[in-house]
Amino acid sequence: DAGVTQSPTHLIKTRGQQVTLRCSPKSGHDTVSWYQQALGQGPQFIFQYYEEEERQRGNFPDRFSGHQFPNYSSELNVNALLLGDSALYLCASSPPGQEGTQYFGPGTRLLVL
Amino acid sequence: GDSVTQMEGPVTLSEEAFLTINCTYTATGYPSLFWYVQYPGEGLQLLLKATKADDKGSNKGFEATYRKETTSFHLEKGSVQVSDSAVYFCALTPSGSARQLTFGSGTQLTVLP
Repeated sequence: DAGVTQSPTHLIKTRGQQVTLRCSPKSGHDTVSWYQQALGQGPQFIFQYYEEEERQRGNFPDRFSGHQFPNYSSELNVNALLLGDSALYLCASSPPGQEGTQYFGPGTRLLVL
Repeated sequence: GDSVTQMEGPVTLSEEAFLTINCTYTATGYPSLFWYVQYPGEGLQLLLKATKADDKGSNKGFEATYRKETTSFHLEKGSVQVSDSAVYFCALTPSGSARQLTFGSGTQLTVLP
């Protein structure tokens, strides 16, 4: 049984560019959440998707947007990249009715130069 | 808002030593509480959880008890191994809305042989 998968594993961009990160949830999971983890810190909640809609959002600007597809996979888009967006981006999925129990993928390491 | 405070690390122990990592929280009502572990270069893994007061979560020799009176969820293990070396995160989801995980800043544990 495959766990949560994310792609790509690493990415290098320059300021002002746009990036798209991808996530496939565990089999049977229908909810996907995204987190940003800066170096040496705990993850910060970006948003959560359920039934192809953003259900809850953390304190992140509109440059951060997302999408969930009918197969429950999800994308995180970040526009107008800033140096401070450099971080590990984690995707987590949850089984139906258990949004609080989240299973994390390995993350995408984004470096903005 | 909700918050989680962990003891600052890093923590260095010898193999077979007793481990305690302190975690306290601020939240209204009865949040669900979690411990996650992050091994080098990997995403977060759910270690254990407790969803109501006086519940004890346990897994792989680790334990934590949900103490409402002290708003704490300290992680303990009786005999650590070198393979337990990792970063440990305490986290919560608020009561009534089990969606957004709020994390502490993490505690780096190194176990020496």
